[in-house]
Amino acid sequence: DAKTTQPNSMESNEEEPVHLPCNHSTISGTDYIHWYRQLPSQGPEYVIHGLTSNVNNRMASLAIAEDRKSSTLILHRATLRDAAVYYCIPVNSGNTPLVFGKGTRLSVIA
Amino acid sequence: EAGVAQSPRYKIIEKRQSVAFWCNPISGHATLYWYQQILGQGPKLLIQFQNNGVVDDSQLPKDRFSAERLKGVDSTLKIQPAKLEDSAVYLCASSLEVWPLGYGYTFGSGTRLTVV
Repeated sequence: DAKTTQPNSMESNEEEPVHLPCNHSTISGTDYIHWYRQLPSQGPEYVIHGLTSNVNNRMASLAIAEDRKSSTLILHRATLRDAAVYYCIPVNSGNTPLVFGKGTRLSVIA
Repeated sequence: EAGVAQSPRYKIIEKRQSVAFWCNPISGHATLYWYQQILGQGPKLLIQFQNNGVVDDSQLPKDRFSAERLKGVDSTLKIQPAKLEDSAVYLCASSLEVWPLGYGYTFGSGTRLTVV
């Protein structure tokens, strides 16, 4: 499994953009980069995923470095409900178990 | 679409007692996973089922943990006897076989187990 490195914690003011980085220098060429988040007292939930191109959805944007050794999850306007632990996970095939690291704990300040 | 259902939501038991957790995955999801999440850590895979067969149970402490998925739908995870270090949240997840359907992994809210 590809190893990932994320900051332990980050803090953001409400309604400001947040950039959550992830290093995955050992990622293979066929690994998709998935981001999940875990709200307090909930199971992880899907946020976004991508392979090479930048991706956008209603929750967030994913910027993937050209060499694919790092990626950044972008929350365009953080809200209090975005306070969670965010996990960056390389995944190489369907139905492969997600392997979680420690993730980044995001705090949002009103 | 209904989510992954888990019960109970909370459980407190004494060490050496037994406990069982139940999971009902999303309809049509052939793959089911059980994870253990200790406070402050990311979830750790315990076992993966494909339909009613075990795909990976290499991280399941088989001397005390067991799991089954009869008929390829619901699943139960059992601990017997429980130890203090088993205190954790037990998460169930299910996924589709279609790839690369990234949002195909869906987690339940988990069962928080406290062993005293």
